[in-house]
Amino acid sequence: GQQVMQIPQYQHVQEGEDFTTYCNSSTTLSNIQWYKQRPGGHPVFLIQLVKSGEVKKQKRLTFQFGEAKKNSSLHITATQTTDVGTYFCAGRAGGSYIPTFGRGTSLIVHP
Amino acid sequence: SAVISQKPSRDICQRGTSLTIQCQVDSQVTMMFWYRQQPGQSLTLIATANQGSEATYESGFVIDKFPISRPNLTFSTLTVSNMSPEDSSIYLCSGRLAGETQYFGPGTRLLVL
Repeated sequence: GQQVMQIPQYQHVQEGEDFTTYCNSSTTLSNIQWYKQRPGGHPVFLIQLVKSGEVKKQKRLTFQFGEAKKNSSLHITATQTTDVGTYFCAGRAGGSYIPTFGRGTSLIVHP
Repeated sequence: SAVISQKPSRDICQRGTSLTIQCQVDSQVTMMFWYRQQPGQSLTLIATANQGSEATYESGFVIDKFPISRPNLTFSTLTVSNMSPEDSSIYLCSGRLAGETQYFGPGTRLLVL
Protein backbone atom coordinates (compact mmCIF):
# COMPACT_ATOMS: atom_id res chain seq x y z
CA GLY A 1 0.00 0.00 0.00
CA GLN A 2 0.90 3.63 -0.18
CA GLN A 3 3.53 4.82 2.27
CA VAL A 4 4.36 8.38 3.24
CA MET A 5 7.66 8.93 4.97
CA GLN A 6 8.35 12.15 6.80
CA ILE A 7 11.67 13.32 8.21
CA PRO A 8 13.02 14.33 10.58
CA GLN A 9 10.94 13.03 13.46
CA TYR A 10 12.09 15.82 15.75
CA GLN A 11 13.88 19.11 15.18
CA HIS A 12 15.24 21.44 17.81
CA VAL A 13 16.05 24.96 16.66
CA GLN A 14 16.94 28.25 18.25
CA GLU A 15 14.39 30.96 17.73
CA GLY A 16 15.22 32.74 14.50
CA GLU A 17 16.70 29.70 12.78
CA ASP A 18 15.07 28.10 9.77
CA PHE A 19 13.30 24.73 9.76
CA THR A 20 12.45 22.24 7.05
CA THR A 21 10.48 19.00 7.09
CA TYR A 22 10.39 16.59 4.17
CA CYS A 23 7.74 14.19 3.00
CA ASN A 24 8.26 11.35 0.51
CA SER A 25 5.67 9.04 -0.98
CA SER A 26 6.16 5.57 -2.40
CA THR A 27 3.61 6.40 -5.11
CA THR A 28 2.71 9.40 -7.24
CA LEU A 29 0.28 11.65 -5.45
CA SER A 30 -2.79 13.48 -6.68
CA ASN A 31 -2.32 16.06 -3.97
CA ILE A 32 -0.58 16.62 -0.69
CA GLN A 33 -1.79 18.48 2.35
CA TRP A 34 0.01 19.89 5.35
CA TYR A 35 -1.37 20.13 8.87
CA LYS A 36 -0.10 21.62 12.11
CA GLN A 37 -0.90 20.19 15.51
CA ARG A 38 -0.04 22.27 18.56
CA PRO A 39 0.82 20.40 21.75
CA GLY A 40 -2.42 19.15 23.27
CA GLY A 41 -4.38 20.26 20.23
CA HIS A 42 -5.78 18.71 17.10
CA PRO A 43 -4.47 18.84 13.52
CA VAL A 44 -5.30 22.04 11.69
CA PHE A 45 -5.23 22.26 7.91
CA LEU A 46 -2.54 24.55 6.52
CA ILE A 47 -2.48 24.08 2.77
CA GLN A 48 -3.03 21.75 -0.17
CA LEU A 49 -0.70 21.35 -3.15
CA VAL A 50 -1.94 19.83 -6.37
CA LYS A 51 0.29 20.78 -9.29
CA SER A 52 3.69 19.37 -10.15
CA GLY A 53 6.41 21.75 -8.95
CA GLU A 54 3.91 23.93 -7.12
CA VAL A 55 5.21 26.40 -4.54
CA LYS A 56 2.95 28.21 -2.11
CA LYS A 57 3.78 30.65 0.63
CA GLN A 58 2.01 31.62 3.82
CA LYS A 59 3.98 34.40 5.51
CA ARG A 60 7.14 32.64 6.76
CA LEU A 61 6.02 29.20 5.57
CA THR A 62 6.93 27.90 2.11
CA PHE A 63 5.41 24.70 0.77
CA GLN A 64 6.74 22.83 -2.25
CA PHE A 65 5.45 19.90 -4.28
CA GLY A 66 8.02 17.97 -6.25
CA GLU A 67 8.06 17.77 -10.02
CA ALA A 68 7.31 14.04 -9.87
CA LYS A 69 4.55 14.62 -7.32
CA LYS A 70 6.14 12.13 -4.94
CA ASN A 71 7.70 14.49 -2.45
CA SER A 72 6.99 17.71 -0.66
CA SER A 73 8.59 20.03 1.84
CA LEU A 74 7.61 22.67 4.34
CA HIS A 75 10.14 25.35 5.15
CA ILE A 76 9.76 27.88 7.94
CA THR A 77 11.96 30.95 7.85
CA ALA A 78 13.11 32.56 11.08
CA THR A 79 11.17 30.34 13.46
CA GLN A 80 9.24 31.77 16.36
CA THR A 81 8.05 30.11 19.54
CA THR A 82 4.53 30.16 18.10
CA ASP A 83 5.71 27.72 15.43
CA VAL A 84 6.09 24.96 18.02
CA GLY A 85 4.06 21.87 17.17
CA THR A 86 3.99 18.80 15.00
CA TYR A 87 3.71 19.23 11.26
CA PHE A 88 2.07 16.43 9.30
CA CYS A 89 1.95 15.86 5.59
CA ALA A 90 -0.90 13.83 4.13
CA GLY A 91 -0.68 12.52 0.60
CA ARG A 92 -3.49 11.15 -1.51
CA ALA A 93 -2.71 8.81 -4.35
CA GLY A 94 -4.87 8.64 -7.44
CA GLY A 95 -7.58 6.03 -7.09
CA SER A 96 -7.83 6.51 -3.34
CA TYR A 97 -10.16 8.92 -1.62
CA ILE A 98 -8.25 8.80 1.65
CA PRO A 99 -4.92 10.57 2.29
CA THR A 100 -2.11 8.80 4.09
CA PHE A 101 -0.56 10.79 6.90
CA GLY A 102 3.17 10.93 7.52
CA ARG A 103 4.38 10.34 11.06
CA GLY A 104 4.94 14.05 11.56
CA THR A 105 7.86 16.27 12.46
CA SER A 106 7.84 17.81 15.91
CA LEU A 107 9.37 21.26 15.97
CA ILE A 108 10.80 22.54 19.22
CA VAL A 109 11.86 26.18 19.24
CA HIS A 110 14.19 27.34 21.98
CA PRO A 111 13.90 31.04 22.88
CA SER B 1 -14.71 25.86 6.87
CA ALA B 2 -16.22 23.43 9.32
CA VAL B 3 -16.37 23.34 13.08
CA ILE B 4 -16.37 19.91 14.65
CA SER B 5 -17.28 19.14 18.22
CA GLN B 6 -16.73 15.91 20.08
CA LYS B 7 -17.92 14.60 23.38
CA PRO B 8 -16.80 13.54 25.79
CA SER B 9 -13.53 15.44 25.65
CA ARG B 10 -11.94 12.89 27.95
CA ASP B 11 -12.90 9.87 29.99
CA ILE B 12 -11.42 7.27 32.29
CA CYS B 13 -13.00 3.88 31.85
CA GLN B 14 -12.76 0.47 33.38
CA ARG B 15 -11.54 -2.54 31.47
CA GLY B 16 -14.36 -4.45 29.77
CA THR B 17 -16.73 -1.50 29.46
CA SER B 18 -17.68 0.43 26.32
CA LEU B 19 -17.59 4.13 25.51
CA THR B 20 -19.47 5.96 22.77
CA ILE B 21 -17.93 9.12 21.36
CA GLN B 22 -20.13 11.60 19.56
CA CYS B 23 -19.07 13.88 16.72
CA GLN B 24 -21.09 16.81 15.43
CA VAL B 25 -20.16 18.92 12.41
CA ASP B 26 -21.66 22.32 11.71
CA SER B 27 -21.50 21.87 7.92
CA GLN B 28 -22.64 19.17 5.57
CA VAL B 29 -19.37 17.41 5.00
CA THR B 30 -18.89 14.97 2.16
CA MET B 31 -17.01 12.44 4.25
CA MET B 32 -16.44 11.71 7.92
CA PHE B 33 -13.60 9.73 9.40
CA TRP B 34 -12.47 8.40 12.75
CA TYR B 35 -8.78 8.39 13.66
CA ARG B 36 -6.76 7.21 16.61
CA GLN B 37 -3.62 8.96 17.77
CA GLN B 38 -1.25 7.81 20.44
CA PRO B 39 0.52 10.70 22.22
CA GLY B 40 3.39 11.91 20.08
CA GLN B 41 2.45 9.63 17.22
CA SER B 42 0.84 9.99 13.84
CA LEU B 43 -2.81 9.61 12.92
CA THR B 44 -4.13 6.11 12.29
CA LEU B 45 -7.35 5.89 10.32
CA ILE B 46 -9.89 3.60 11.95
CA ALA B 47 -12.72 3.88 9.46
CA THR B 48 -14.72 6.02 7.09
CA ALA B 49 -18.19 6.68 8.46
CA ASN B 50 -20.76 6.22 5.71
CA GLN B 51 -24.13 7.88 5.94
CA GLY B 52 -26.89 5.37 6.44
CA SER B 53 -24.73 2.32 5.88
CA GLU B 54 -21.93 0.33 7.45
CA ALA B 55 -18.62 2.06 7.96
CA THR B 56 -15.59 1.14 5.88
CA TYR B 57 -12.87 -0.14 8.20
CA GLU B 58 -9.13 -0.03 7.70
CA SER B 59 -6.94 -3.06 8.15
CA GLY B 60 -6.66 -4.00 11.80
CA PHE B 61 -9.98 -2.50 12.82
CA VAL B 62 -13.28 -4.39 12.97
CA ILE B 63 -16.88 -3.44 13.43
CA ASP B 64 -17.39 -5.56 16.52
CA LYS B 65 -14.68 -3.62 18.35
CA PHE B 66 -15.37 -0.16 16.89
CA PRO B 67 -19.01 0.09 15.80
CA ILE B 68 -19.69 3.35 13.99
CA SER B 69 -22.90 5.06 13.10
CA ARG B 70 -23.61 8.01 10.83
CA PRO B 71 -27.35 8.60 10.69
CA ASN B 72 -27.06 11.89 8.80
CA LEU B 73 -24.50 14.11 7.06
CA THR B 74 -23.38 15.97 10.16
CA PHE B 75 -23.35 13.45 13.01
CA SER B 76 -21.43 10.28 13.77
CA THR B 77 -20.63 8.09 16.74
CA LEU B 78 -17.75 5.76 17.44
CA THR B 79 -18.03 3.12 20.16
CA VAL B 80 -14.96 1.54 21.67
CA SER B 81 -16.22 -1.82 22.87
CA ASN B 82 -14.96 -4.17 25.56
CA MET B 83 -12.10 -1.82 26.31
CA SER B 84 -8.64 -2.81 27.42
CA PRO B 85 -5.70 -0.61 28.46
CA GLU B 86 -4.36 -0.91 24.89
CA ASP B 87 -7.35 1.16 23.75
CA SER B 88 -6.08 4.15 25.70
CA SER B 89 -5.53 6.81 23.09
CA ILE B 90 -6.87 10.01 21.58
CA TYR B 91 -9.79 9.45 19.22
CA LEU B 92 -10.34 12.13 16.59
CA CYS B 93 -13.33 12.74 14.39
CA SER B 94 -12.68 14.37 11.02
CA GLY B 95 -14.91 15.80 8.34
CA ARG B 96 -14.06 16.63 4.76
CA LEU B 97 -15.68 19.35 2.72
CA ALA B 98 -15.71 19.48 -1.06
CA GLY B 99 -12.17 20.37 -2.05
CA GLU B 100 -10.69 17.74 0.26
CA THR B 101 -9.77 19.94 3.19
CA GLN B 102 -10.13 17.88 6.34
CA TYR B 103 -11.20 19.40 9.61
CA PHE B 104 -10.58 17.67 12.89
CA GLY B 105 -12.49 17.67 16.11
CA PRO B 106 -10.72 18.45 19.39
CA GLY B 107 -10.37 14.76 20.18
CA THR B 108 -11.50 12.47 22.97
CA ARG B 109 -8.76 11.44 25.38
CA LEU B 110 -9.49 7.95 26.62
CA LEU B 111 -7.73 6.21 29.48
CA VAL B 112 -8.64 2.61 30.20
CA LEU B 113 -7.69 1.20 33.57
